[in-house]
Amino acid sequence: QSVLTQPPSVSEAPRQRVTISCSGSSSNIGNNAVNWYQQLPGKAPKLLIYYDDLLPSGVSDRFSGSKSGTSASLAISGLQSEDEADYYCAAWDDSLNGYVFGTGTKVTVL
Amino acid sequence: QVQLVQSGAEVKKPGASVKVSCKVSGYTLTELSMHWVRQAPGKGLEWMGGFDPEDGETIYAQKFQGRVTMTEDTSTDTAYMELSSLRSEDTAVYYCATDPGIAAAVRSFDYWGQGTLVTVSS
Repeated sequence: QSVLTQPPSVSEAPRQRVTISCSGSSSNIGNNAVNWYQQLPGKAPKLLIYYDDLLPSGVSDRFSGSKSGTSASLAISGLQSEDEADYYCAAWDDSLNGYVFGTGTKVTVL
Repeated sequence: QVQLVQSGAEVKKPGASVKVSCKVSGYTLTELSMHWVRQAPGKGLEWMGGFDPEDGETIYAQKFQGRVTMTEDTSTDTAYMELSSLRSEDTAVYYCATDPGIAAAVRSFDYWGQGTLVTVSS
C-alpha cells in the first residue's frame, strides 16, 4: 500500500493537456522533493521531473511539475502517442525513512 | 554518461537466495550512490534500499530488513543486491539506479539498469 496516491488512469486526445495528481503527507511531499518517472511498456523507468519542477537534460518541455503543500502534479501538454506510458511520483518519506513511489498512473492517448 | 548493465534473468526455488549484479561504466562506483528498486508483474515500483552518502551507510526499506544485502566491488565497479529466503511474492524485475544527490530530502534516480527478472517458483 503506497503512501502516495495517484489516479489509476487518465486519457485524452492528441495535442491536448493532461494532469496527474499525487497526494501525500507532511512526511513526504510536504517536506521533501517530488520526482516523477515515466515508464514506457517493457522499459526501465526514466526520470522526468526532479526537485518538484525541474527537467533533466533531454526531457521535453511539454512536461512540467508543480507542488503545493502535500500534493504534487505532473502536466503533459501537446499530448503525443509516444507519451502513452505509466507515470509515477516519488519522494523521500521521513517517517518511513525510505523512498516511496506513488501508485502509478497509466496515460492513454485516445 | 553513466551506463548500468545488469545480470541476466534468474529462476529460483522458494527459500533460496538470488544475487543480482549491476556493472557501472562511464563513472566509477565510488562516484555514485547506488539503489535498488523492484517491480512485480503488473505492479508499481518499490524501493528496496541503497547507499546514503550523508551517513556513508547502506539503508534498507523496512520491508526487506534482514533479508536483503547490498554490496559493492569497487575494483570492478559492480554493485550487488542479494535477496534471501525467496518466496513467490518476490517474483519481480529488479532494477539498479543511481542517485546524483547527497541529501535524502532531494533523492532521485537519474540512471537505471535494464532490469533483471527474478522468478521464484517451485
